[in-house]
Amino acid sequence: EAGVAQSPRYKIIEKRQSVAFWCNPISGHATLYWYQQILGQGPKLLIQFQNNGVVDDSQLPKDRFSAERLKGVDSTLKIQPAKLEDSAVYLCASSSGVPNEQYFGPGTRLTVT
Amino acid sequence: DAKTTQPPSMDCAEGRAANLPCNHSTISGNEYVYWYRQIHSQGPQYIIHGLKNNETNEMASLIITEDRKSSTLILPHATLRDTAVYYCIVRVPRNSGYSTLTFGKGTMLLVSP
Repeated sequence: EAGVAQSPRYKIIEKRQSVAFWCNPISGHATLYWYQQILGQGPKLLIQFQNNGVVDDSQLPKDRFSAERLKGVDSTLKIQPAKLEDSAVYLCASSSGVPNEQYFGPGTRLTVT
Repeated sequence: DAKTTQPPSMDCAEGRAANLPCNHSTISGNEYVYWYRQIHSQGPQYIIHGLKNNETNEMASLIITEDRKSSTLILPHATLRDTAVYYCIVRVPRNSGYSTLTFGKGTMLLVSP
């Protein structure tokens, strides 16, 4: 079965610019997650969707980050405007509902200069 | 929320067993222990999980102490491809009704020839 797909793999932008990341989860997986991983740290959950509804966005900086999952399949994470501290790898994961086994994509490495 | 403590790094010779410890002394009765690993430049990968009993799958074995305050992940015959950061995670219940995974810094396991 195909894994979680993410694009782009790498992105370099200047501070105050905007950027968007795309994720296509494993077919049939109802739950989708976005994580932020800063260098040297473990992934931190930003937002969790169940189908196209938000389950948990308590750690999402809502003044600059937004995410959507239209039609309960693909998802987009946006940052506007970006700050230097947003430099990180953004990981997307999906699961089939019981949150004991999450499948992760390869991530998007964002560098903000 | 239960926290986990892991050594920052460990070394293992190829072909030998790798035993990765994790302390979770504040774990509550309904919380599970999960292990994920992250190979360089990849997303995390699920390994195994357990509640009370020892568990084994094709990748590893999980030994949980009787008081559940600590556990050990065992890779029986480590290979160079097992070099990765290993995360011990206790599932944290959230108000939303869905449990999420909170990653710490993990243990960097280096397998050498």
